[in-house]
Amino acid sequence: TQLLEQSPQFLSIQEGENLTVYCNSSSVFSSLQWYRQEPGEGPVLLVTVVTGGEVKKLKRLTFQFGDARKDSSLHITAAQPGDTGLYLCAGDIGNTGKLIFGQGTTLQVKP
Amino acid sequence: NAGVTQTPKFQVLKTGQSMTLQCAQDMNHNSMYWYRQDPGMGLRLIYYSASEGTTDKGEVPNGYNVSRLNKREFSLRLESAAPSQTSVYFCASSEILRGYGYGYTFGSGTRLTVV
Repeated sequence: TQLLEQSPQFLSIQEGENLTVYCNSSSVFSSLQWYRQEPGEGPVLLVTVVTGGEVKKLKRLTFQFGDARKDSSLHITAAQPGDTGLYLCAGDIGNTGKLIFGQGTTLQVKP
Repeated sequence: NAGVTQTPKFQVLKTGQSMTLQCAQDMNHNSMYWYRQDPGMGLRLIYYSASEGTTDKGEVPNGYNVSRLNKREFSLRLESAAPSQTSVYFCASSEILRGYGYGYTFGSGTRLTVV
């Protein structure tokens, strides 16, 4: 059973375009995180969101946590080839410290 | 450099062989984790250790054992490797700050092939 659904699974866009990746669940999360993973490496934490409705920005990346803490989105403005990679959302139910990961979104940004 | 160190980076095993994957962190984190990553499946939790001296099963523990040797080290053992255990294995550590969220720090992974 996949508790965290990410969409889309694959995204191929041109440099300069905008994109949004979604992470949805029927469960309420005490916190939700986004990671970026490059080939041959481990995931690297981008952001953690805790409060429903919270919005965080990291340069051209905007992260939003849903009001009910069941969903999240990652929006990239003016994508660049350096944004290419696998984006993973992960959530903690009940503040256990154990993360449940989505399947990931593979992003390719072409020059 | 501070972080999580995993060894080995690559390993090929024959069915039935055993091996131990090593993991060490130098961030003084209490919690450590072992995940496996398979195409289309995301990362799935094998075992975790909330603190030194404690371990518990995750989503896919069958065929694995773990040892939290001390606060820094958390090893994963495959007693009798099977082709279904071909995967990329990641160790991670974290410090949970209740009410403030937290993040995992991952190692660079061990790519294991069982033939």
